[in-house]
Amino acid sequence: DIQMTQSPSSLSASVGDRVTITCQASQDISHYVNWYQQKAGKAPKLLIFDASNLKTGVPSRFSGRGSGTDFTLTINSLQPEDVATYFCHQCKNLPYTFGQGTKLEIK
Amino acid sequence: QEHLVESGGGLVKPGGSLRLSCVGSGFNFSDYYMSWIRQAPGKGLEWVSYITNGVNIKYYADSVKGRFTISRDNAKNSLFLQMDSLRAEDTAIYYCARDFSTHDYWGPGTLVAVSS
Repeated sequence: DIQMTQSPSSLSASVGDRVTITCQASQDISHYVNWYQQKAGKAPKLLIFDASNLKTGVPSRFSGRGSGTDFTLTINSLQPEDVATYFCHQCKNLPYTFGQGTKLEIK
Repeated sequence: QEHLVESGGGLVKPGGSLRLSCVGSGFNFSDYYMSWIRQAPGKGLEWVSYITNGVNIKYYADSVKGRFTISRDNAKNSLFLQMDSLRAEDTAIYYCARDFSTHDYWGPGTLVAVSS
């Protein structure tokens, strides 16, 4: 199985900060990475697909980069509504696997 | 507007069975592969299964293979997960999601608790 190692596991930042979350795959997965945002008590929502494509309706302060084994999710100008847990996900090979999550809080 | 809603969760004893349902609306259900993903309390996400559209090819995580069965009824815009021989470690919120890879829309989830 492909392991997705996500870091950090938790993060505290101020409103307006730039935040970066990283995900490393245990093998080359090309661009087959998605990023999800999960707010407390809610279902995950897709933010980024295929490593760098922003889902329609997602604010442009969210962006994704990477290919191969190393991927990043960046939030420019952090907003209070961005408090959530973020997960990376590989959909290159079955079984599809997720990172363990990054819990983002506001200072 | 795309919408998914799960139902059928509940408390069941180890070894018991449950059948989860998911109804889709706001999109052409029969055009899409559909998936089940679960999340144990306070834990991360685990892909469980997906089913293709058309010829209904099915895939399962090893942790549920042989115990869970995914199916769909396109006429009723519905996805199902038959869960047999349930174990304590199957306790989780079960989400249905559209598509097999991007999971672009999710339902709110239904809680399955396996306990004696």
